Amino acid sequence: AQTVTQSQPEMSVQEAETVTLSCTYDTSESDYYLFWYKQPPSRQMILVIRQEAYKQQNATENRFSVNFQKAAKSFSLKISDSQLGDAAMYFCAYRLPYSGNTPLVFGKGTRLSVIA
Amino acid sequence: DTAVSQTPKYLVTQMGNDKSIKCEQNLGHDTMYWYKQDSKKFLKIMFSYNNKELIINETVPNRFSPKSPDKAHLNLHINSLELGDSAVYFCASSQGALFTDTQYFGPGTRLTVL
Repeated sequence: AQTVTQSQPEMSVQEAETVTLSCTYDTSESDYYLFWYKQPPSRQMILVIRQEAYKQQNATENRFSVNFQKAAKSFSLKISDSQLGDAAMYFCAYRLPYSGNTPLVFGKGTRLSVIA
Repeated sequence: DTAVSQTPKYLVTQMGNDKSIKCEQNLGHDTMYWYKQDSKKFLKIMFSYNNKELIINETVPNRFSPKSPDKAHLNLHINSLELGDSAVYFCASSQGALFTDTQYFGPGTRLTVL
């Protein structure tokens, strides 16, 4: 079975500091998409960043960047200059490129607290 | 403008009742989804429709029936509600059914079954 593992149920970071959330996944496919979603207390699921597996370059979106290690099946999220508004649940997910449609497979999430 | 909207946001009901959750997207997307997030925050796909046609139907009890009257709407009807149905239900949409198409989520509906 395809799985996504987030080994850190909870993390905390000081405001303005940097934090890294880890994610590993298990698949035998060579191409797929990886995502990080943020779920603040409002419950909305917000796409933070995505990465296609065949691309070597790590994706970056402003203060958010990923460290994608394909051989290790690792996809960690780095948040720089953490802000209070970054406090949320963060979900790692992937999607496989089969014909038809494939669902997002989510990890169990990491709750990030930001300390002022 | 709300891209993916769900109604209601909160739903409290008794066991055995039948209820519906509505979802609408104004993004012009062809594909819509329903996800369930349990009390441990685990998110799992339930259904997916592409151009009003069911293309993903995970192992979900028959009491759950999705209905897509048009591409912009995907409603979820639940019969004979049970305590274990209590969860947050998320609707999502994407441009198409390709794995490269990013999914955009609605705000969620918190269902509580008493």
